[in-house]
Amino acid sequence: EDQVTQSPEALRLQEGESSSLNCSYTVSGLRGLFWYRQDPGKGPEFLFTLYSAGEEKEKERLKATLTKKESFLHITAPKPEDSATYLCAVQFPEAGTALIFGKGTTLSVSS
Amino acid sequence: GAVVSQHPSRVICKSGTSVKIECRSLDFQATTMFWYRQFPKQSLMLMATSNEGSKATYEQGVEKDKFLINHASLTLSTLTVTSAHPEDSSFYICSARVGGLGEKLFFGSGTQLSVL
Repeated sequence: EDQVTQSPEALRLQEGESSSLNCSYTVSGLRGLFWYRQDPGKGPEFLFTLYSAGEEKEKERLKATLTKKESFLHITAPKPEDSATYLCAVQFPEAGTALIFGKGTTLSVSS
Repeated sequence: GAVVSQHPSRVICKSGTSVKIECRSLDFQATTMFWYRQFPKQSLMLMATSNEGSKATYEQGVEKDKFLINHASLTLSTLTVTSAHPEDSSFYICSARVGGLGEKLFFGSGTQLSVL
């Protein structure tokens, strides 16, 4: 069973069409939940870390929220340059300090 | 943010040869570095955790004799893929944990390995 599940796998939006990406996790004792952006052929770029349920963080058109079992990455009025794969990762005691990643959501924004 | 430099970005090699990938933390000391592997349209899979001055800890299913990891200094970790085979072709990414910045991890730009 996957410990981190992201949905949808792929998402196509029109420019300006807001939406949300989901990341659900089954681990207990969550130390942190991370969101990264990955462009093709590149390493992940850090976006947010969330530590406790109810926490929210924002950066430009992105807003990340966290509940006890899932996190959402809300994208408001996206632009074509927001097109990328968005990765969710969790950190929990049994994994030490490593991150366990979901498979990602590939976002395509067309103008 | 902290910078992690990974080199080379792309390498093509013949089957049976060995390939070394370097991961450097440029503006901070990284006591712990992680090596991930990513196949097309798949998630990043943790291969091993390396701590400066000690042996790496490998994840289940990762052959430690095939994927040699050396973390000899606080700014450099290397991954050597020995006797590479076509099935080793993948995108390899390193990351480093930055002390004092919570649990934030910074990633290198990745190395695309193609074994012919």
